[in-house]
Amino acid sequence: NAGVMQNPRHLVRRRGQEARLRCSPMKGHSHVYWYRQLPEEGLKFMVYLQKENIIDESGMPKERFSAEFPKEGPSILRIQQVVRGDSAAYFCASSGDQGTHEQYFGPGTRLTVT
Amino acid sequence: GNSVTQMEGPVTLSEEAFLTINCTYTATGYPSLFWYVQYPGEGLQLLLKATKADDKGSNKGFEATYRKETTSFHLEKGSVQVSDSAVYFCALSPSSNTGKLIFGQGTTLQVKP
Repeated sequence: NAGVMQNPRHLVRRRGQEARLRCSPMKGHSHVYWYRQLPEEGLKFMVYLQKENIIDESGMPKERFSAEFPKEGPSILRIQQVVRGDSAAYFCASSGDQGTHEQYFGPGTRLTVT
Repeated sequence: GNSVTQMEGPVTLSEEAFLTINCTYTATGYPSLFWYVQYPGEGLQLLLKATKADDKGSNKGFEATYRKETTSFHLEKGSVQVSDSAVYFCALSPSSNTGKLIFGQGTTLQVKP
């Protein structure tokens, strides 16, 4: 049973470009969470999605960031017009039942903005 | 608001030493508490959890007890191994059940042979 998959593992973008990060949840999971880990900091919640719905986006920056989890395919975190401050590790997690609070994490995508 | 505070690292121990990593939290209501471990280059793995006061979570020799009176969830292990070297994160899930986890800043553990 494959775990949570994220790609790419490493992504380099120049300032002003777009970054698209993908997350495939564990088989049978319908809840997806995105977290950001800045250098020397803990993980910060960004957004929580179920299939085709955004449930909680209280941690998302107001501009340039968006997320989706379509009926078919992976969840996508999209960052438009990246800036150097967006350089971080972005982790995706999934769960099968929100009530258990048990989330399984992917290996992360390390975004570097040059 | 909800927050988690962990002891600052790095923590350096010799093999077979006793480990304590302190974690305290601030939350309204009755959160669930977790310890996650992150090995180099990998994602986070759930180590143990506790969902109500006085519960003890345990796994792989690690233990933590949910102490509501002191709002703490300290991680302990009686005898660490070199393979335990990793970053450890304490986290809570608010009782409002939004699904999100709130993490501490992480504590790096280095175990020397």
